[in-house]
Amino acid sequence: AQSVTQLGSHVSVSEGALVLLRCNYSSSVPPYLFWYVQYPNQGLQLLLKYTTGATLVKGINGFEAEFKKSETSFHLTKPSAHMSDAAEYFCAVQTGANNLFFGTGTRLTVIP
Amino acid sequence: DARVTQTPRHKVTEMGQEVTMRCQPILGHNTVFWYRQTMMQGLELLAYFRNRAPLDDSGMPKDRFSAEMPDATLATLKIQPSEPRDSAVYFCASGWDQRTEAFFGQGTRLTVV
Repeated sequence: AQSVTQLGSHVSVSEGALVLLRCNYSSSVPPYLFWYVQYPNQGLQLLLKYTTGATLVKGINGFEAEFKKSETSFHLTKPSAHMSDAAEYFCAVQTGANNLFFGTGTRLTVIP
Repeated sequence: DARVTQTPRHKVTEMGQEVTMRCQPILGHNTVFWYRQTMMQGLELLAYFRNRAPLDDSGMPKDRFSAEMPDATLATLKIQPSEPRDSAVYFCASGWDQRTEAFFGQGTRLTVV
């Protein structure tokens, strides 16, 4: 079975500061990992994904995430927060023939 | 611009009524997911189809919920009878295969009064 844990349901950062959103997963087989973003009253939009190969993955809007097998983590980062980054972020895991399971989400607030 | 289309976007209904939500997956996609999103539970997987066959609907209350894919261009989620606790945003998502990203629709916001 697989699961996803997102530490911190709410994260606040100042505009221009580093964004770090944490995600840990559990899986008995090599996982595919995803980060999605949800803006108010919208569906989820893919930010980035890790399948195989390079463990540092770059996505849209300047975000990136690093797959660390030893730590079972896939944390999302962005060097400098922008006001438009304020949204809810979801980490998700998919393994083998199993479905796409989401974490509980982290709401990012950017302070001017 | 390919996208997943969900209808209706908003639905208000009285308790006990039947509710049908529709989803048009992206043309060519062979997997369809139904998720329910609430403040308390977050995103819950209700059902998962591949090549129109239901592979997993263990997250769906069987007594009142049903999900079908009459054809490759339409997925439906029905609630009968609806209850206030069903109030949520229901998302449909589609993808190419089991291990690729899912593309989400805009959701159907259901309110049962």
